[in-house]
Amino acid sequence: EPEVTQTPSHQVTQMGQEVILRCVPISNHLYFYWYRQILGQKVEFLVSFYNNEISEKSEIFDDQFSVERPDGSNFTLKIRSTKLEDSAMYFCASSLGGGNEKLFFGSGTQLSVL
Amino acid sequence: GEDVEQSLFLSVREGDSSVINCTYTDSSSTYLYWYKQEPGAGLQLLTYIFSNMDMKQDQRLTVLLNKKDKHLSLRIADTQTGDSAIYFCAEITGRRALTFGSGTRLQVQP
Repeated sequence: EPEVTQTPSHQVTQMGQEVILRCVPISNHLYFYWYRQILGQKVEFLVSFYNNEISEKSEIFDDQFSVERPDGSNFTLKIRSTKLEDSAMYFCASSLGGGNEKLFFGSGTQLSVL
Repeated sequence: GEDVEQSLFLSVREGDSSVINCTYTDSSSTYLYWYKQEPGAGLQLLTYIFSNMDMKQDQRLTVLLNKKDKHLSLRIADTQTGDSAIYFCAEITGRRALTFGSGTRLQVQP
């Protein structure tokens, strides 16, 4: 069964450093998403991406964040200058689209900012 | 605004039925979902229901939707130890973004 894959599974970084989280969505899907889950809190929407541009973003997704689909398979989330409060599990998801947004999630990247 | 609420914890015995409840606030929700998260794993889509339905059954899973009360439930029949996980309900409205509840931790005792 096709699945969304994320790398790395764990990322430790120093405050102020840039990180790039990588995702390979399901190959025929058209919509891509990033969500995050701070420990003990709800899963929160960050951004959605369609047709090579951001279609929607939350208030969390400020100028420190950016997304890119550099080629036909990868979808990345970059955090330019990490803060302690960016520590969270980051989930990538993809969907085929068409109204019923059945999102398929990856297993996540645990980001720890020290 | 959108808000989704769930109870935090449910404990059942193996073989019993589990019922996990969820309330939501946005009456314009089009689809509602149940996701399962096992330790160290991602979010697995279990089932979903369209807002004009009031029930959906899928093997051991039964989803009930009371749109008037904005109440969604997931019933797991014959609960097994492998069903132990965190269960999230989520809604989607006009936006292509899911709003998740805080998750219900289901503990299945042998």
